[in-house]
Amino acid sequence: AQSVTQPDIHITVSEGASLELRCNYSYGATPYLFWYVQSPGQGLQLLLKYFSGDTLVQGIKGFEAEFKRSQSSFNLRKPSVHWSDAAEYFCAVGASNDYKLSFGAGTTVTVRA
Amino acid sequence: ETGVTQTPRHLVMGMTNKKSLKCEQHLGHNAMYWYKQSAKKPLELMFVYNFKEQTENNSVPSRFSPECPNSSHLFLHLHTLQPEDSALYLCASSPHRDISYEQYFGPGTRLTVT
Repeated sequence: AQSVTQPDIHITVSEGASLELRCNYSYGATPYLFWYVQSPGQGLQLLLKYFSGDTLVQGIKGFEAEFKRSQSSFNLRKPSVHWSDAAEYFCAVGASNDYKLSFGAGTTVTVRA
Repeated sequence: ETGVTQTPRHLVMGMTNKKSLKCEQHLGHNAMYWYKQSAKKPLELMFVYNFKEQTENNSVPSRFSPECPNSSHLFLHLHTLQPEDSALYLCASSPHRDISYEQYFGPGTRLTVT
């Protein structure tokens, strides 16, 4: 079975600074990888996904993520954060022949002025 | 209304009460999901429906009873809950029950069991 680890529970970043959120997964075959964002009082919104091909994936809101098979990682990055990026971020993994997603516990991002 | 809506947004219930959570999707999707989100824990998939048929029951206690009368509506009936059932319950839908299709989430129902 697949699993996801998000090592950072909480990250504080200054507005305009860069952001990197870590995600490590455990899965035997090629995973399907996702990043979701949850703003306060909202449901989860898909930021980006990786199925195959180019290992650097671009998403919405200026986010990108890089799949590194050798490190079993799929880290999320943004070059310059905005106050509106304050939210909880979830990494998820799934299998190509399935429909279930396994989520990490999430990383809370606080943006300071 | 657009997207996925959930009502009520907040619910406080005693352990002996019976209540229902409602989810409605306006996206024309065929698959619907119930998730439980507890603080600082991964989302837990509870139930999955595909074309109104239940295809997943992830070892959920019988005090949670889902119902899917049509592809647009999903209910979660609650009875004799425990305090540890307090959580955010999220509904999601997707065009098809396949991982390649994005799941669209509602805002959730914050449930508190007293």
